[in-house]
This record gives sequence, structure tokens and C-alpha cells, in this order.
Amino acid sequence: SQQGEEDPQALSIQEGENATMNCSYKTSINNLQWYRQNSGRGLVHLILIRSNEREKHSGRLRVTLDTSKKSSSLLITASRAADTASYFCATDASSNDYKLSFGAGTTVTVRA
Amino acid sequence: EAGVAQSPRYKIIEKRQSVAFWCNPISGHATLYWYQQILGQGPKLLIQFQNNGVVDDSQLPKDRFSAERLKGVDSTLKIQPAKLEDSAVYLCASSLEWGDQPQHFGDGTRLSIL
Repeated sequence: SQQGEEDPQALSIQEGENATMNCSYKTSINNLQWYRQNSGRGLVHLILIRSNEREKHSGRLRVTLDTSKKSSSLLITASRAADTASYFCATDASSNDYKLSFGAGTTVTVRA
Repeated sequence: EAGVAQSPRYKIIEKRQSVAFWCNPISGHATLYWYQQILGQGPKLLIQFQNNGVVDDSQLPKDRFSAERLKGVDSTLKIQPAKLEDSAVYLCASSLEWGDQPQHFGDGTRLSIL
């Protein structure tokens, strides 16, 4: 079963705008990761945030984690056409022997 | 470094036929994963190897799916016989050690069952 759920399912924005997507999960976690998947390709790791961290940055990406609400958000600033992809959160549950559980993803379309 | 290699990229078969997918992980990566990704969903773990041993295969439909990693390097996933619901992308991933993050993914094999 999928532990994480992303919201929204789909997002369409203009180039240069920011994109925000959210992930909610059900059980305690060791860490939460965000991956990107371009059409017809495999998943590419973007960022990992540990359960004792609240915010992390990587280039134009900002991830927050609220363990009390069991939720995370991914912000992409100044979006580009190349950011068009599906974005997945993946949780590594504390009791789950390092297995990753993926949500269904948010599909982001960046219009030129 | 070379990434995770998978072949074939696409496969079309009829139901009840058999099919096999191949994966070569990143050199030196001890842990190898097979995922199934149905259209519109996130990847679901099927089986996880540490070297040539199975760590977890709890979500592998063992009546029709099998996987092996005999020499602890490349791996093969087989489906026999295939059902319509097996239409999906099969992704292989690897990591340096068990529990090591992140996982590195190949581009997958897209399987269509007619």
C-alpha cells in the first residue's frame, strides 16, 4: 500500500512562477525523499530530509517537513520548462526496514 | 559513473506468455530493487536484494513472478504467465548498501499485455 499521498494531482504554471506540492503520510518515518520523473524515464532523486530536520534547500528546491502533521511540501522556485515532470514523495518508515513507499505523484506542467 | 541499465525498454506480449527483464546496477552497489509502476501510480517495491540474497519479496506475486541475482551483480525479473494487470513499467534501482539512500533508478521496461 502507498504510504504517501501528494496534493495536488496535477499542477499547471507559467514559466517563472513557483510550484508547490504537498505530501502527507501515515506512519512515523526515518526520512522523506522527493524524486522527479520525466516522461518515459526513471526516477531522479532530488532531496532527502530526515525526521529531525524541518527545512532543507537545494538550488531552486525547498522542502519542509512537519512530523506533527505528517506532511511535507516541495517548492520549486522560478520554474522552467525543464521542470515539467511528475514529482513523487517517498517515505522510509521507521519500522519498515528501509523500504521506500511512494505516493501517486504530482504532475507539473510548466508553460513557456 | 554509468547509471542503472535496463533492457529491453519496451515489450509487448500476449496474456499467458512469459517475459523477462534484465537490470545491471551501478558498479559496486550491493542492493538492488525491482519496482512495478502502474500508469498514474507511484512505484511499488516488488523485491529487494542485498548482494545475491533476497532481503524482502513480500509484495512479489510469487505464483507468476520470479527474480534472481545469482552473482550479486545483474538481475533478471520474470513473469510467467503474464496477466493483463501486469501491464506496467518495471523499474530497477540500486543503492550502495542496504538502507543507503538515495536509490538510483534505471529508465525501466514498459510492458504491454495484449
